[in-house]
Amino acid sequence: AQKITQTQPGMFVQEKEAVTLDCTYDTSDQSYGLFWYKQPSSGEMIFLIYQGSYDEQNATEGRYSLNFQKARKSANLVISASQLGDSAMYFCAMRLNTGGFKTIFGAGTRLFVKA
Amino acid sequence: DTEVTQTPKHLVMGMTNKKSLKCEQHMGHRAMYWYKQKAKKPPELMFVYSYEKLSINESVPSRFSPECPNSSLLNLHLHALQPEDSALYLCASSQGTQATLYGYTFGSGTRLTVV
Repeated sequence: AQKITQTQPGMFVQEKEAVTLDCTYDTSDQSYGLFWYKQPSSGEMIFLIYQGSYDEQNATEGRYSLNFQKARKSANLVISASQLGDSAMYFCAMRLNTGGFKTIFGAGTRLFVKA
Repeated sequence: DTEVTQTPKHLVMGMTNKKSLKCEQHMGHRAMYWYKQKAKKPPELMFVYSYEKLSINESVPSRFSPECPNSSLLNLHLHALQPEDSALYLCASSQGTQATLYGYTFGSGTRLTVV
């Protein structure tokens, strides 16, 4: 069965420090995409970063990087130099080619950045 | 224009009312989605439209009726809803349906309260 697991319901980080949000996934498909989305309290889901299953290099977008360990089926999000505006809910998600148009979301991690 | 626009932002409706949610994008995306999100939960897929045709209905009750009048517009018609249908309704679009390539662009959502 296809599944995304985020084991950290909540995380605290000091402003300007780095933080890692964990994500593991389960699929028997060889071709899939992994995504991270940010959801502030306003409700909008913001796409942050994407990693393809065949990509050999870890994805990077500004302060966001994805630590992709295929053998472990993990896709952790690393946020460097945390800012107060990073406080939000973060969802890890997976899309499968065989699944067509579906995206499976994890339960989410609430990140709190402390000043 | 890199946005998905949802209207209204807030909606309160009685159980006998008929209302519609509207979603619009002008990015040339050919896949559009409706998601339902309860508080502190991940989004749950409701419907997928691909090239203006309904491709996935996740066993959604018939009191929710989607419509895609053209490639830029997606509606969700609501009728005889129940209080448990109160949630954040998110619209999303993606460039295509090839799963591993395209992240979603989400709208800011409609917060629906059924009284």
